[in-house]
Amino acid sequence: AQSVTQLDSQVPVFEEAPVELRCNYSSSVSVYLFWYVQYPNQGLQLLLKYLSGSTLVESINGFEAEFNKSQTSFHLRKPSVHISDTAEYFCAVSDERRQLTFGSGTQLTVLP
Amino acid sequence: EAQVTQNPRYLITVTGKKLTVTCSQNMNHEYMSWYRQDPGLGLRQIYYSMNVEVTDKGDVPEGYKVSRKEKRNFPLILESPSPNQTSLYFCASSSYLGGGNTEAFFGQGTRLTVV
Repeated sequence: AQSVTQLDSQVPVFEEAPVELRCNYSSSVSVYLFWYVQYPNQGLQLLLKYLSGSTLVESINGFEAEFNKSQTSFHLRKPSVHISDTAEYFCAVSDERRQLTFGSGTQLTVLP
Repeated sequence: EAQVTQNPRYLITVTGKKLTVTCSQNMNHEYMSWYRQDPGLGLRQIYYSMNVEVTDKGDVPEGYKVSRKEKRNFPLILESPSPNQTSLYFCASSSYLGGGNTEAFFGQGTRLTVV
């Protein structure tokens, strides 16, 4: 069985400050890792994913996440956040059976 | 435009009155699934379908039914809704090809309240 733990349920941060959203996973098999973002009153959208190769993956809007196999982590970072980054962020793990398992979510609130 | 469409977006119903939430995708995806989202619990899978006429239980299937008669549609049925099924529901689809590394596309969500 696989599971995902997002350590922070709420992360308030001031605009232009850096942010890190933490994610740890457990799985007995090789996994694929994802970050999804949910803006208010919308569905989830894929932000970035790790499949294989380089352990650092980036999104088009400045987020990046690093896969750390030894620590079983996939933390999401952004060096400078904007008001528009306010949303709920979900870390997820998938295996070859395509069963997506989500964490409980982290609400990122960017303050002016 | 590639999309997953759920209807209705909002629904208030009474205990015991059967309801169906529809889900349709236009990407010819084989894999479809239903999730419920509750505060502090993230998204939990209710049912999933690998292809037409192939469905299986997820983590929280009790009180729900699904069917997959056509590739594009995957309705969620609540035969006798109860207040503990008040939640935000999401339908998702993804391509079967490529194993677990394919992106899931989500609908806009259905907010269900059972009174």
